[in-house]
Amino acid sequence: AQSVSQHNHHVILSEAASLELGCNYSYGGTVNLFWYVQYPGQHLQLLLKYFSGDPLVKGIKGFEAEFIKSKFSFNLRKPSVQWSDTAEYFCAVGNTGFQKLVFGTGTRLLVSP
Amino acid sequence: GAVVSQHPSWVICKSGTSVKIECRSLDFQATTMFWYRQFPKQSLMLMATSNEGSKATYEQGVEKDKFLINHASLTLSTLTVTSAHPEDSSFYICSAPGTSAGDTQYFGPGTRLTVL
Repeated sequence: AQSVSQHNHHVILSEAASLELGCNYSYGGTVNLFWYVQYPGQHLQLLLKYFSGDPLVKGIKGFEAEFIKSKFSFNLRKPSVQWSDTAEYFCAVGNTGFQKLVFGTGTRLLVSP
Repeated sequence: GAVVSQHPSWVICKSGTSVKIECRSLDFQATTMFWYRQFPKQSLMLMATSNEGSKATYEQGVEKDKFLINHASLTLSTLTVTSAHPEDSSFYICSAPGTSAGDTQYFGPGTRLTVL
């Protein structure tokens, strides 16, 4: 069965600090990997996705993630966070049909101005 | 981009009553939709897959008689929580896959259910 673990449940950073959120998955086949963001009071939005090809994926708002197959990881990074990045971040894995998604427990990021 | 809406956004009901939540794909058709449940400070848990024109597929541990799903058309899926109890209080979110190659799922804004 697929599973996703996110190591950091709460992260507090100052503006301009660098961000890295960990995500590890367990799945026996070819996977599609996603990072979603949920801003306060809003619905889930896609930050970035990996299906195949270049393991370094760039998403919206300056976020990027690196797929390391040998480590079953898909960590999210941003060189310099902003106050507006305060949100909850979810890592998810889906099968090749990207139909069912399995989510990690989420990481709440608070960026202080 | 594709938009998914949910109605209502917030509902409060008495224990024992039934509540219907609607999920609509506004500018695209969805033969499949997904229903998730999110408990406070926890992740989204897939409850069931709603299939247009056929029965829903429920995840293990989800009571299909309690959470009735009807995919009435290519743009509408409904989740009915029957005989609701306080432990059913949660945030219910639906999603629909996009129709383009390489597309992802689009999520509704969620419905917060509070059962008194």
